[in-house]
Amino acid sequence: GENVEQHPSTLSVQEGDSAVIKCTYSDSASNYFPWYKQELGKRPQLIIDIRSNVGEKKDQRIAVTLNKTAKHFSLHITETQPEDSAVYFCAASIWEYGNKLVFGAGTILRVKS
Amino acid sequence: KAGVTQTPRYLIKTRGQQVTLSCSPISGHRSVSWYQQTPGQGLQFLFEYFSETQRNKGNFPGRFSGRQFSNSRSEMNVSTLELGDSALYLCASSERTRADTQYFGPGTRLTVL
Repeated sequence: GENVEQHPSTLSVQEGDSAVIKCTYSDSASNYFPWYKQELGKRPQLIIDIRSNVGEKKDQRIAVTLNKTAKHFSLHITETQPEDSAVYFCAASIWEYGNKLVFGAGTILRVKS
Repeated sequence: KAGVTQTPRYLIKTRGQQVTLSCSPISGHRSVSWYQQTPGQGLQFLFEYFSETQRNKGNFPGRFSGRQFSNSRSEMNVSTLELGDSALYLCASSERTRADTQYFGPGTRLTVL
């Protein structure tokens, strides 16, 4: 079945620096890739998503890139702020399998001020 | 629109008991998916319901079951609880099935003693 690997498991950056989180998926049929942010004790919140017919998507300080050939996608956060500190999860989904999301293990992002 | 709601928010049960969790999706959303979140296994897909039919199922034992009502509200049931069932149970709703954007509820924290 589908497997999603996420790296790094923890990431510490200085406020204002950029952060990059990378994920690799195993099933080439995957065609939907969301990213969720989860703060302590809160629900996962969708921050950005990308579909397989698009190579890059940007929303203010957040961007996601997708490389279908290499089967990996990345989250880029620029000008990080302390409120960006949270756990970030990548996920992959295959259209034929409904809304089933396979998640990466998560990345703890700490932004130091 | 109101977001996804889940009840109860916290639950304490003992081994061998059964439990029922409830999820009310965003108005107009017909798909509800359930996920289990634990520190060791991360976020794992349990099942998805769409228009009262189970659309897909994850790799969980038959003790885990669910259903969906005509108003799209969903319940999941865990019978014969085990210590390892202690987790945060999250539901997510979306308008359609087929790799659609999902919005999570706050979760139900289940503790099995």
